[in-house]
Amino acid sequence: QVQLQESGPGLVKPSETLSLTCTVSGGSISPYYWSWIRQPPGKGLEWIGYIYYSGTSNYNASLKSRVTILLDTSKNQFSLRLTSVTAADTAVYYCARVRPVAGTYYQHYMDVWGKGTTVTVSS
Amino acid sequence: DIQMTQSPSSLSASVGDRVTITCRASQSISNYLNWYQQEPGKAPKLLIYAASSLQSGVPSRFSGGGSGTDFTLTISSLQPEDFATYYCQQSYSTLYSFGQGTKLEIK
Repeated sequence: QVQLQESGPGLVKPSETLSLTCTVSGGSISPYYWSWIRQPPGKGLEWIGYIYYSGTSNYNASLKSRVTILLDTSKNQFSLRLTSVTAADTAVYYCARVRPVAGTYYQHYMDVWGKGTTVTVSS
Repeated sequence: DIQMTQSPSSLSASVGDRVTITCRASQSISNYLNWYQQEPGKAPKLLIYAASSLQSGVPSRFSGGGSGTDFTLTISSLQPEDFATYYCQQSYSTLYSFGQGTKLEIK
């Protein structure tokens, strides 16, 4: 049973860089996509981006200039880096596995999620 | 970017009711539409993928339909554990997007 666990600082200062790690247990990084999603307090879900096991990545256009998602296959982990944070980046951050619909390549869904980690941006 | 709009934003219903939530895409997305359930304080859970395929382990009272721009999530007979927030999500574009959510509350 694949499980995901987010980890990282719960408090980040404005203008600094938010860094989170998602550890994948009970399964392999390949051959899936891996995604980050966030949820500001009291609001809906916002997709941040994903990375393929080959290293190809794609990001939300509104965050693209500040976001990097990286893969560490040796540790079965992937990470999120968000630069120049502001209070608007305060949210619960989730990692999730993305898999293709059987028989397709580009049709995806997120079937396994971590429990989420709360990140507050404040001085 | 593809915009996803859900209606209603909130809904009050009773145990045993049949309810339908609608999701509309700003352009055709074929059947590249997924539904998630989120209970308070918990991570989202996949219910339906590819518009109408039920995820393993999800009760059969949940069903999805639609294609193109208009989609539905139907719960045939509400159970107490179904009161939660529901989100649609498209994967037609490589830039995913979610609907704003529909909060299902007990009447």
